[in-house]
Amino acid sequence: EDQVTQSPEALRLQEGESSSLNCSYTVSGLRGLFWYRQDPGKGPEFLFTLYSAGEEKEKERLKATLTKKESFLHITAPKPEDSATYLCAVQAMGTSGSRLTFGEGTQLTVNP
Amino acid sequence: GAGVSQSPRYKVAKRGQDVALRCDPISGHVSLFWYQQALGQGPEFLTYFQNEAQLDKSGLPSDRFFAERPEGSVSTLKIQRTQQEDSAVYLCASSAGTANSPLHFGNGTRLTVT
Repeated sequence: EDQVTQSPEALRLQEGESSSLNCSYTVSGLRGLFWYRQDPGKGPEFLFTLYSAGEEKEKERLKATLTKKESFLHITAPKPEDSATYLCAVQAMGTSGSRLTFGEGTQLTVNP
Repeated sequence: GAGVSQSPRYKVAKRGQDVALRCDPISGHVSLFWYQQALGQGPEFLTYFQNEAQLDKSGLPSDRFFAERPEGSVSTLKIQRTQQEDSAVYLCASSAGTANSPLHFGNGTRLTVT
């Protein structure tokens, strides 16, 4: 059974204080690993897809990396508007369509 | 429209009532998914459509849950005889259906069963 574990559950940072969020996964053949951002009362918003170990993707202050067992979301010099819940999800080989298995998320708060 | 649209945004039902939740996917998206998200949890898969065909309904928690997409566009998730444990946010997502195409989510319907 595919499994995704995210840590920490919650993270408080000061504006400008860089950090990383972790996503550990167990999957029977990884087709893709996805990062989403979710604001309160909203649906998840797509950030990145990573396909193979060693791959990295960047968007503004965010950088996602992937190994064979885990992914990291690095946040450089965060701003208060980066406050949100960050969700990691995996898509396994052979699953129907683009079905994703999500972790429980990391709730990030960035204080000014 | 530009994104996935869900209605209603909020629904309060008394235990035992039937509810129907609507999803309008992004135009041209062949794949449509329903997820259930409990408070403080990640979304959990319910069911998947490719066009009008329901290809996977393995995540539906009981036979009280039923989904349809008769014309391959708008989808409805129906819950019969609602129970308190059905209280959650129900998210709809669509994708272009190509390999690794990302899911685009709506803002969900928050269902509260009293």
